[in-house]
Amino acid sequence: EMQLVQSGAELKKSGESLKISCKASGYKFVDYWIGWVRQMPGKGLEWMGVIYPGDSDTKYSPSFQGQVTISADKASSTAYLQWSSLKASDTAIYFCAKIRDYGGNGHNYYFYGMDVWGQGTTISVSS
Amino acid sequence: QSALTQPASVSGSPGQSISISCTGTSRDVGGYKLVSWYQQHPGKAPKLIIFEDIRRPSGVSNRFSGSKSGNTASLAISGLQAEDEADYYCCSPAGDSTSVFGGGTKLTVL
Repeated sequence: EMQLVQSGAELKKSGESLKISCKASGYKFVDYWIGWVRQMPGKGLEWMGVIYPGDSDTKYSPSFQGQVTISADKASSTAYLQWSSLKASDTAIYFCAKIRDYGGNGHNYYFYGMDVWGQGTTISVSS
Repeated sequence: QSALTQPASVSGSPGQSISISCTGTSRDVGGYKLVSWYQQHPGKAPKLIIFEDIRRPSGVSNRFSGSKSGNTASLAISGLQAEDEADYYCCSPAGDSTSVFGGGTKLTVL
């Protein structure tokens, strides 16, 4: 069974750093893009960015470029999302999700939906 | 890169059919045959229910169907059931190796 298991909830202060994780199992980790999605309290889903664990190619939404860093460790089949300096506005639930397929090449890939989701990691940042 | 436009809410009675629209532009919804739809119950992770505009993952009820015309995609749910009450989101590629979600639609089963 394909599964993504995320790290637990975090309570942090503004200015602190944080790295959350998403561990994959049940499929070949290096062959599928993994994406991160933000859901602020009471709000909708926002597409943050994706990583291809096979070569660590990473793509970010313009809204999140420079605000977060996405990485992956092939040896442990784990993807990560990190912040160097949290803000109160980073308070949200963060989901990781496996991309079921992709097309395109080089600078323009397109993604065929997110078919396996993690349970979400709640991050609360106090000012 | 703007969120795709969905109605904030829709409602229907058990057994009825409803439709949720998702409007974008030729740079996203209209430019690819890759709209996906997600169902999210409160406190849960989203679940993929439609991909590539019209395809259903195995295990998803055939009461859910997707369609698209130009820059507007639609999700239809027939034979509404209480368990269908949830938030629904569309998603599309948006160029430059990114994707974008719709604002979400809250479905109420009366």
